[in-house]
Amino acid sequence: AQSVTQLGSHVSVSEGALVLLRCNYSSSVPPYLFWYVQYPNQGLQLLLKYTSAATLVKGINGFEAEFKKSETSFHLTKPSAHMSDAAEYFCAVAGSQGNLIFGKGTKLSVKP
Amino acid sequence: GAVVSQHPSRVICKSGTSVKIECRSLDFQATTMFWYRQFPKQSLMLMATSNEGSKATYEQGVEKDKFLINHASLTLSTLTVTSAHPEDSSFYICSARGLHVTEAFFGQGTRLTVV
Repeated sequence: AQSVTQLGSHVSVSEGALVLLRCNYSSSVPPYLFWYVQYPNQGLQLLLKYTSAATLVKGINGFEAEFKKSETSFHLTKPSAHMSDAAEYFCAVAGSQGNLIFGKGTKLSVKP
Repeated sequence: GAVVSQHPSRVICKSGTSVKIECRSLDFQATTMFWYRQFPKQSLMLMATSNEGSKATYEQGVEKDKFLINHASLTLSTLTVTSAHPEDSSFYICSARGLHVTEAFFGQGTRLTVV
């Protein structure tokens, strides 16, 4: 069965600093992995996805993630945080039915 | 990306009444729709999966008689919360996926409050 674990329920960075949100996956088959962002009381917006092509995936808003099979990781990074990046971020892996299995989420705070 | 519209965005209902939430794929045919529930400060949990024209498959612990799902067309799925109770208050989100597509697109979510 597939699962993802997000390390750190809350991450706080200063504006302009590096953003690193951690996600480790468990999957018995080659995984499809996703990162989503959720603003308060809103739905989910796809940031990026890994579907077994390039291991370094570039997404929207300057985010990127690198698939590392040896570490079973898919960490999300952004070189320089903006205030508008403050939100909840979810890592997810595709399930066998095409559904998504989500991590518990990481709340990102950006300090001025 | 494709657009999925979910309605209503917010609803408040009295305990014991039923509420219907609609999920529409606006520019593609959604062969599969997923319904998730998100309690405050928690992650999204899959409630059920529905394929067009078939009965929904419910996850363990989700009452199928309480959460009625209909997916009668390739562009519309509905979730009806029957005899709602305050503990059903949650954020419900649908997602829709087309055939041979790896990505599922999410609706905006519905905040249900049962008073």
